[in-house]
Amino acid sequence: QVQLVQSGAEVKKPGASVKVSCKASGYTFSTYALHWVRQAPGQRLEWMGWINAGRDNPKYSQKFQGRVTITRDTSASTAYMELSSLRSEDTAVYYCARDGCRVGDCYSPTNWFDPWGQGTLVTVSS
Amino acid sequence: EIVLTQSPGTLSLSPGERATLSCRASQSVSSSYLAWYQQKPDQAPRLLIYGASSRATGIPDRFSGSGSGTDFTLTISRLEPEDFAVYYCQQYGSSITFGQGTRLEIK
Repeated sequence: QVQLVQSGAEVKKPGASVKVSCKASGYTFSTYALHWVRQAPGQRLEWMGWINAGRDNPKYSQKFQGRVTITRDTSASTAYMELSSLRSEDTAVYYCARDGCRVGDCYSPTNWFDPWGQGTLVTVSS
Repeated sequence: EIVLTQSPGTLSLSPGERATLSCRASQSVSSSYLAWYQQKPDQAPRLLIYGASSRATGIPDRFSGSGSGTDFTLTISRLEPEDFAVYYCQQYGSSITFGQGTRLEIK
């Protein structure tokens, strides 16, 4: 079955960077886009950006532009999200999620998300 | 950016009752590009509905979605104990945004 498994929890100091991984299995990695979404305590889900796993052309939400970098390693079927210049407000659970449509099957390049990874808690504290 | 507002914030119902959750968009959502998710404590969101009304694989038929333009609804026809959770709507017609969630709790 399709599965996304993320790396473990991280604790970082303000100003540092964090890199979270998302390993995919159960499907051909390059045929779907992957998204990153975060959820701060008590807050709504917040989309950060996505990457077409077959083309390596990441796109970012304006809010995170300049601070987030999404990459992928097709040989490892793994996507990565790196967030820099961390501050306390970045404390959140970070999720990867597969796009609902195989690349080219839907009119829109970004769609619903299914499935999601289990989430990675990133705590930013001095 | 399209802002999604969900109502009510909290819905208190009993098993067997019908639940109606609302998601209103600040501008029209193109092509009904709207999805619904269920999230239980310490779990990732699970897709329920996409394209405003299409049920995801494995989702029971007591879950249904409707609406278009700026007003969308998720209906759970007869609540089961496992349905008590937080529900989010998401639009993917213009960038991607989520609603703030509706908490469905046992009365």
